[in-house]
Amino acid sequence: KAGVTQTPRYLIKTRGQQVTLSCSPISGHRSVSWYQQTPGQGLQFLFEYFSETQRNKGNFPGRFSGRQFSNSRSEMNVSTLELGDSALYLCASSLAQGAGLEQYFGPGTRLTVT
Amino acid sequence: SQQGEEDPQALSIQEGENATMNCSYKTSINNLQWYRQNSGRGLVHLILIRSNEREKHSGRLRVTLDTSKKSSSLLITASRAADTASYFCATDAEYGNKLVFGAGTILRVKS
Repeated sequence: KAGVTQTPRYLIKTRGQQVTLSCSPISGHRSVSWYQQTPGQGLQFLFEYFSETQRNKGNFPGRFSGRQFSNSRSEMNVSTLELGDSALYLCASSLAQGAGLEQYFGPGTRLTVT
Repeated sequence: SQQGEEDPQALSIQEGENATMNCSYKTSINNLQWYRQNSGRGLVHLILIRSNEREKHSGRLRVTLDTSKKSSSLLITASRAADTASYFCATDAEYGNKLVFGAGTILRVKS
């Protein structure tokens, strides 16, 4: 089975712009979660989608949003980019929603905001 | 904010030695997972241990969980240079797939 794929792998944007990142989960997986990784804050949960609905949200401003499509693919959007949004954005897929399910991560999208 | 603290922050050992990493967390959990990350790439799932389990093995990996002390340890036996990576513990305390990660341990295995 193909793993979790994320596109693009690298992205450079300017402050004030917006960006959309894409994640395709493992075939058959219906839950997608997003995480932000920075040197200062480490790995932080952004949000989780299951059956096209946001099920859980981390402590991030409203500039961070996401959605999930009927084929379980997910996108996240960051509007009005700030320098502090520079990070590795990781998505993880899981079979379903529920505690105790293994989550499989993609390679990440490295976003640099200048 | 992170729930877990990992100890040590960095570890350097010789190939063939064992490596032990510890993770402590603050709230009650359902499960604890360990992940490996190579050079800022994606996370690789290593092992999941449930709150009612005390020990779990997978190949050269051994994980223990002590819920009374809110701590877990990851032991890598007979380490190899390819084990050089950052190791993170992650807990889930809420229903759903939200994981709360520790700060990670950087492991360097010298050949």
